[in-house]
Amino acid sequence: DGGITQSPKYLFRKEGQNVTLSCEQNLNHDAMYWYRQDPGQGLRLIYYSQIVNDFQKGDIAEGYSVSREKKESFPLTVTSAQKNPTAFYLCASSRTESEQYFGPGTRLTVT
Amino acid sequence: LAKTTQPISMDSYEGQEVNITCSHNNIATNDYITWYQQFPSQGPRFIIQGYKTKVTNEVASLFIPADRKSSTLSLPRVSLSDTAVYYCLVGDIFRGRYGGATNKLIFGTGTLLAVQP
Repeated sequence: DGGITQSPKYLFRKEGQNVTLSCEQNLNHDAMYWYRQDPGQGLRLIYYSQIVNDFQKGDIAEGYSVSREKKESFPLTVTSAQKNPTAFYLCASSRTESEQYFGPGTRLTVT
Repeated sequence: LAKTTQPISMDSYEGQEVNITCSHNNIATNDYITWYQQFPSQGPRFIIQGYKTKVTNEVASLFIPADRKSSTLSLPRVSLSDTAVYYCLVGDIFRGRYGGATNKLIFGTGTLLAVQP
């Protein structure tokens, strides 16, 4: 089956630790995205990538980092610099000029 | 990027037609209008996209007036499983540094549709 996978579904970390969220797609999409969603809120764009080895900051990139070494993978690192890291993180991918396909999400809790 | 305004919540009953209207007064010439559906703790799912007039697919219809300052998502004969948050987005499809187009979408808070038996 083609699709986007995110792992793990739930993640718990201590404050001050960096944590990396996985996102893999086998849809052969060029573009990939990371969003953050807080309770009762819409999605906010963190980073996006149009092509391998290139990525752009979204609206709330501070405290996050990404890499795009392979077309299929777009991992997101939540660093200790992110002041409010607890959230629901969603990864998406798309072909050019088409709708975005979302993964199941990772719920990160930092205490 | 154009901002969208839609009702925070709506109630309906099974079997009814539901129309959710979205305002986007500052929509740009190149912007498309896209609707997504999201269930709790899941990623959003694409429903329908349009530029002007009417678009219909197997799950919904999208009505866009000539001035494109608003749009209406129509869900025919809703069921309990249609209870979800519906997002109206105005997509800024732009050409990036490598020529490929990317949908840089802005999600608002959406409309929570509650379908009752």
